[in-house]
Amino acid sequence: EVQLLESGGGLVQPGGSLRLSCAASGFTFSSHDLSWVRQAPGKGLEWVSGFSGSGRSMDYADSVKGRFTIYRDISKNTLSLQMSSLRAEDTAVYYCAKEGNTGLHFDYWGQGTLVTVSS
Amino acid sequence: SYALTQPPSVSVSPGQTATITCSGDKLENKYTFWYQQRPGQSPVLVIYEDDKRPSGIPERFSGSNSGNTATLTISGTQAMDEADYYCQTWDNYTYVFGPGTKVTVL
Repeated sequence: EVQLLESGGGLVQPGGSLRLSCAASGFTFSSHDLSWVRQAPGKGLEWVSGFSGSGRSMDYADSVKGRFTIYRDISKNTLSLQMSSLRAEDTAVYYCAKEGNTGLHFDYWGQGTLVTVSS
Repeated sequence: SYALTQPPSVSVSPGQTATITCSGDKLENKYTFWYQQRPGQSPVLVIYEDDKRPSGIPERFSGSNSGNTATLTISGTQAMDEADYYCQTWDNYTYVFGPGTKVTVL
């Protein structure tokens, strides 16, 4: 059974940093693209960053480029998102999501972790 | 950047058919995917590659894609189908989501 378990969310001041983690199980971690997708309170879904299964590429949404860094630890089956220079508009539930076998979409999502940026 | 549009809300009576549209430029040339998100829960994939249902998704969910519009149809809508529905496609190496449609079962 595929499981994605996010952690690391919390309250942080504007300009601060936070690191999110996603512990994955139930599939071959190095064979699938994984992404972070966020959802601001009462709003829709926004793709944030992705890491290819091959490990050869990482991508970011323009809204977070230069502030967020995505990492992958194959030995621990863990995907991480280092967030810095946080802004109020980064407040959201952050989901870890696995790309489906045929690509271009997400077939499994974690339960999400809430990040609140506020003074 | 590529954009998808959806109606903010759709209302349907129990047992009737709910139709949710998703529009984008030449959308028929791309695959469209649909997610259901019940209140307080994570999104769940209900349709992939325009019209395919993942295992475990009821047959009352179906999809199509033609011209500039993809459509998610829920036949024989049940109270448990009340949720937000998001369409999604892939463009320029980016996952693009629609703004979501709230389906209310009256």
